[in-house]
Amino acid sequence: GDSVTQMEGPVTLSEEAFLTINCTYTATGYPSLFWYVQYPGEGLQLLLKATKADDKGSNKGFEATYRKETTSFHLEKGSVQVSDSAVYFCALKSLGNEKLTFGTGTRLTIIP
Amino acid sequence: EAGVAQSPRYKIIEKRQSVAFWCNPISGHATLYWYQQILGQGPKLLIQFQNNGVVDDSQLPKDRFSAERLKGVDSTLKIQPAKLEDSAVYLCASSISTGTETQYFGPGTRLLVL
Repeated sequence: GDSVTQMEGPVTLSEEAFLTINCTYTATGYPSLFWYVQYPGEGLQLLLKATKADDKGSNKGFEATYRKETTSFHLEKGSVQVSDSAVYFCALKSLGNEKLTFGTGTRLTIIP
Repeated sequence: EAGVAQSPRYKIIEKRQSVAFWCNPISGHATLYWYQQILGQGPKLLIQFQNNGVVDDSQLPKDRFSAERLKGVDSTLKIQPAKLEDSAVYLCASSISTGTETQYFGPGTRLLVL
């Protein structure tokens, strides 16, 4: 079945550091891929998505590229801010299936 | 635009008791989802409704969990009787329709079963 494996946390970085959170997946066919973010005390929010191979999703300075050959969708940001502190979830949705399959989440803390 | 509303935000009960959670999706959203998020894990889909019909309830423990969306708008999820392992955050999400990529999530209900 479908599965998502993401980098275990917690991850602690200094402000303005470069961020990478790894995500790989197993799925039948070509799924859509997502990154969701959960800020403290809030619900999950869609951060970015990509629906086909080589697509790049981007939002709020974050980027992730759909790599079919490595079945990966790593999240990157060039310069993180304290306000980026949150839990990040990688997820996929297979074609014809409405269910989102999530990874376990990565807690990110940015220190000033 | 108002987001997905859930209540209560927190609930503490003893095992074998019953509990119910309520969700009001974004206005006009036909599809509603309930997810269970156990601490340290990603959310897992329990049930999906399209209007007032069930689309997928394959991962709902039907011996103790039930859900309804009688008028195709708000929904309730019930656990009866609760077990210790039901301690989790219960998330409700909605989307405009099936096949739509974006699901919008509510803040969740945190349940602790003692």
